[in-house]
Amino acid sequence: GAVVSQHPSWVICKSGTSVKIECRSLDFQATTMFWYRQFPKQSLMLMATSNEGSKATYEQGVEKDKFLINHASLTLSTLTVTSAHPEDSSFYICSARVLPGGYTFGSGTRLTVV
Amino acid sequence: KNQVEQSPQSLIILEGKNCTLQCNYTVSPFSNLRWYKQDTGRGPVSLTIMTFSENTKSNGRYTATLDADTKQSSLHITASQLSDSASYICVVSDGNDMRFGAGTRLTVKP
Repeated sequence: GAVVSQHPSWVICKSGTSVKIECRSLDFQATTMFWYRQFPKQSLMLMATSNEGSKATYEQGVEKDKFLINHASLTLSTLTVTSAHPEDSSFYICSARVLPGGYTFGSGTRLTVV
Repeated sequence: KNQVEQSPQSLIILEGKNCTLQCNYTVSPFSNLRWYKQDTGRGPVSLTIMTFSENTKSNGRYTATLDADTKQSSLHITASQLSDSASYICVVSDGNDMRFGAGTRLTVKP
């Protein structure tokens, strides 16, 4: 089945630094990828939708200059958290649209900013 | 107001018992409904997917039902195991966007 590989699974960084999270579709081409953030005991919150070769579409309230999304190829999308702060600590998950009408998720990245 | 409402918010059952989780939605138009299992610190994993014409779908000990007229779905877990402890998320698609429920946190105790 369709598999999305997400790395790293966890990362600890210092406040003010940037962190890049990668999601790769291993056995299919992902023209559309979604990035979510999930706080403890809460549901997934969509941050942005990225389409290969075009600019990402951000949800209301999500700072596009802080959460940089690149979807330069059909198998790779990246999320870069720039100038990270402790309040950015969260669980970040990507997903890819898989035909017909399905979605497969990455395994998530636990970001801790200290 | 969330277009996908799940109940209960949390549930504790003893190993071996059955349980049923509920999902009510107002998403329109309706394309499909999925149940996902999310272990703590992991990404969601799909359990079942149902379209408008499907009433029930099974995946091992998991059985999902769908009533498209009343816009309700349920996920029934039979003979629960400790490994069933997780969050169960109902996701409804309108064909373009996914709408997530807040999830039901299930704890199975020995």
